[in-house]
Amino acid sequence: GQQVMQIPQYQHVQEGEDFTTYCNSSTTLSNIQWYKQRPGGHPVFLIQLVKSGEVKKQKRLTFQFGEAKKNSSLHITATQTTDVGTYFCAGLSSNTGKLIFGQGTTLQVKP
Amino acid sequence: DTAVSQTPKYLVTQMGNDKSIKCEQNLGHDTMYWYKQDSKKFLKIMFSYNNKELIINETVPNRFSPKSPDKAHLNLHINSLELGDSAVYFCASSQERLAGNTGELFFGEGSRLTVL
Repeated sequence: GQQVMQIPQYQHVQEGEDFTTYCNSSTTLSNIQWYKQRPGGHPVFLIQLVKSGEVKKQKRLTFQFGEAKKNSSLHITATQTTDVGTYFCAGLSSNTGKLIFGQGTTLQVKP
Repeated sequence: DTAVSQTPKYLVTQMGNDKSIKCEQNLGHDTMYWYKQDSKKFLKIMFSYNNKELIINETVPNRFSPKSPDKAHLNLHINSLELGDSAVYFCASSQERLAGNTGELFFGEGSRLTVL
């Protein structure tokens, strides 16, 4: 079945370092969403990308959607301790219309 | 006001028991979901309802039965609980999908189920 693979599963960084998580789909996506889940919390929507090659920024966060609409990335510049949590991508399948979550990348930031 | 609220937040019960989790959203959304998050944090969709009608039913044991009395409520009943049912269950809602554009999901705070 359709899969959305996300890597890495875990990332430990020193505060101030950059961080990137990658998302790859086995099939073309209509759009991709990103969510953040703080420890003990619930997933919270960050952004949605729809167009091929789209790049969006939210302060220190940069989101990209691949040209083929099969991959995406989230890059955080100069991480802070408030960035700690698990980041999920979720791709909407063009074939099935289902929103499929990646496995998530858990970010730890050492002060 | 909480947009998506679910109760209870914590549930500890014995194997074999039956339990329910309730969810309500006050966002006026047409679509509601149940997700299961296991200990590895993997979020897996279980069910989706649109205007009280079941539209997604993933491979979930039929011990799990969703019920949507109206579009603002989606409850989950679980019969004969097993150890493997221990997880965090999230309710979510979204605007009805337009072609090629899914509305963002608004998640509830989760219900942590522990089966002993």
